[in-house]
Amino acid sequence: QKEVEQDPGPLSVPEGAIVSLNCTYSNSAFQYFMWYRQYSRKGPELLMYTYSSGNKEDGRFTAQVDKSSKYISLFIRDSQPSDSATYLCAMSDNNAGNMLTFGGGTRLMVKP
Amino acid sequence: GAVVSQHPSRVICKSGTSVKIECRSLDFQATTMFWYRQFPKKSLMLMATSNEGSKATYEQGVEKDKFLINHASLTLSTLTVTSAHPEDSSFYICSARDPQGGGRGDTQYFGPGTRLTVL
Repeated sequence: QKEVEQDPGPLSVPEGAIVSLNCTYSNSAFQYFMWYRQYSRKGPELLMYTYSSGNKEDGRFTAQVDKSSKYISLFIRDSQPSDSATYLCAMSDNNAGNMLTFGGGTRLMVKP
Repeated sequence: GAVVSQHPSRVICKSGTSVKIECRSLDFQATTMFWYRQFPKKSLMLMATSNEGSKATYEQGVEKDKFLINHASLTLSTLTVTSAHPEDSSFYICSARDPQGGGRGDTQYFGPGTRLTVL
């Protein structure tokens, strides 16, 4: 079993839809949770950063962490074609600047 | 802020040659940089952790004599793929640790990646 599981997709949605991306993990020591967006042939870009459990909102993006269930989510409201990318969750037990454990990534396609 | 650059963005070389990839933090000092490898449609695989002024720490299964890492300054780390072979063809991505994280806290920022093709 991988430490971090993420549905690879692809996930195809119409423009304007609400997108839900999820990761599950097995290591209860993880405390820092990140979501990265990666466009094709580009490096990952940090979208959201959350410490411990709870919700965090930034514009159209909302990150949720449920440590009791070992489950994290990223919601994208009013999805746009420009949101089409691969979304990677990442976690750390120390701090987000240290070694990260990545999920496999979910490929999202938003169709106009 | 928190910009990380990589050079070159793409390189094609013959089998047996060595290739150097540079990773720079442009607007912050990075005491730690990380090197990742990514295969098509796969996630990032950590190769090594590079700390300024000390030897890199390699992940299990990564040949340190093949993938030479030098972190000579707080803004520059280099990865040299020695005697490259076709199986070394991949997308190599670096990240740099920013303890301030642009206000977000200690976090990593990634470079745009280098696509290596070994013929």
